[in-house]
Amino acid sequence: ILNVEQSPQSLHVQEGDSTNFTCSFPSSNFYALHWYRWETAKSPEALFVMTLNGDEKKKGRISATLNTKEGYSYLYIKGSQPEDSATYLCAPESSSASKIIFGSGTRLSIRP
Amino acid sequence: DTEVTQTPKHLVMGMTNKKSLKCEQHMGHRAMYWYKQKAKKPPELMFVYSYEKLSINESVPSRFSPECPNSSLLNLHLHALQPEDSALYLCASSQASGEQFFGPGTRLTVL
Repeated sequence: ILNVEQSPQSLHVQEGDSTNFTCSFPSSNFYALHWYRWETAKSPEALFVMTLNGDEKKKGRISATLNTKEGYSYLYIKGSQPEDSATYLCAPESSSASKIIFGSGTRLSIRP
Repeated sequence: DTEVTQTPKHLVMGMTNKKSLKCEQHMGHRAMYWYKQKAKKPPELMFVYSYEKLSINESVPSRFSPECPNSSLLNLHLHALQPEDSALYLCASSQASGEQFFGPGTRLTVL
């Protein structure tokens, strides 16, 4: 898996608003899709690992969906809070190699 | 114990020095990883160890030499580095190919 695209690159959202962003990846040789949350000066923190087409996972106000046939995943944040400000990285994993390739991320800033 | 530890936190070395980075986990994870991260870029995979054997080397220059002495430890030996090798070096571990747990990293500066 070489082409991982995340959009938008950056996003500014008012506190309390909901938002979502996209990860696109080649659908061939798909094995799993990882989402990570990455705060400045910290290490990436795993949010979700999804494997099945149609998978939907939720952790608090954050949820994610997966479409393996068309090669995309959405991350949703409901009722954004200042602590949600971070870069959200997606990382697909192919079935032919035990490794993940990080996208360049969506940098989310929440305005109080 | 649910964390990955890395030492040292910071390292400054000259281009002729030999140094080592250490990573440790006690979660029973059988896969361990080294990543290099430059400022504001996502981590780039360097090496993967699976069951203590090197399974992936992402064409990393030989001045970086990984070692996995046992299932809990992962080292990265550094020799004759270049200033452009200055970066944050992250270690991670996982159960097989599940979610990866990252350590805090070692901030390396090569003078």
